[in-house]
Amino acid sequence: DTAVSQTPKYLVTQMGNDKSIKCEQNLGHDTMYWYKQDSKKFLKIMFSYNNKELIINETVPNRFSPKSPDKAHLNLHINSLELGDSAVYFCASSQDSGGGFGYTFGSGTRLTVV
Amino acid sequence: GENVEQHPSTLSVQEGDSAVIKCTYSDSASNYFPWYKQELGKRPQLIIDIRSNVGEKKDQRIAVTLNKTAKHFSLHITETQPEDSAVYFCAASANTGFQKLVFGTGTRLLVSP
Repeated sequence: DTAVSQTPKYLVTQMGNDKSIKCEQNLGHDTMYWYKQDSKKFLKIMFSYNNKELIINETVPNRFSPKSPDKAHLNLHINSLELGDSAVYFCASSQDSGGGFGYTFGSGTRLTVV
Repeated sequence: GENVEQHPSTLSVQEGDSAVIKCTYSDSASNYFPWYKQELGKRPQLIIDIRSNVGEKKDQRIAVTLNKTAKHFSLHITETQPEDSAVYFCAASANTGFQKLVFGTGTRLLVSP
């Protein structure tokens, strides 16, 4: 039973398109995150939600819009995709928002914009 | 905000050797330091973590040490095996308010048979 699941695993799309990535966790965690991993493997936080409320919003273009319908789900919608958006996007969850617990990551979504 | 530096970026060892990866952090309020292992094409997975009230923690062949005064922490892998080959990330966060893990830039460890 997968703890943090993301769909789709791979996403290939053309510039200018709009796409969504979905994430669900069954760990009962209160906090969920989106991280972007670029080609150099650097992991950078994008957003964090605690119990459906946005608590961290890093400097991310407003083409990226997260949505959390409930504390078990966190989706990421991207408008007007650009070449530079190509990366692996990881969803993660943790026990609380205090930063004192490790994250459980999803399997990642490899987004390729052509 | 927190900044985490990690060295080396690449580390090659022979099977059976030890490997050490070092990280430094900038925010003295940080008190939680996990390490993640990411195999090729897989998700990062937590392998060990340490909190600031502890100086060292060990789990079989892996250990982590923390020097709060110098603001650095290290991952030690003994008796390395080919399956230890992966990218390793350190991270740091403070345990107050709305915090986030800030990751280091990763170390690619290659263990040759």
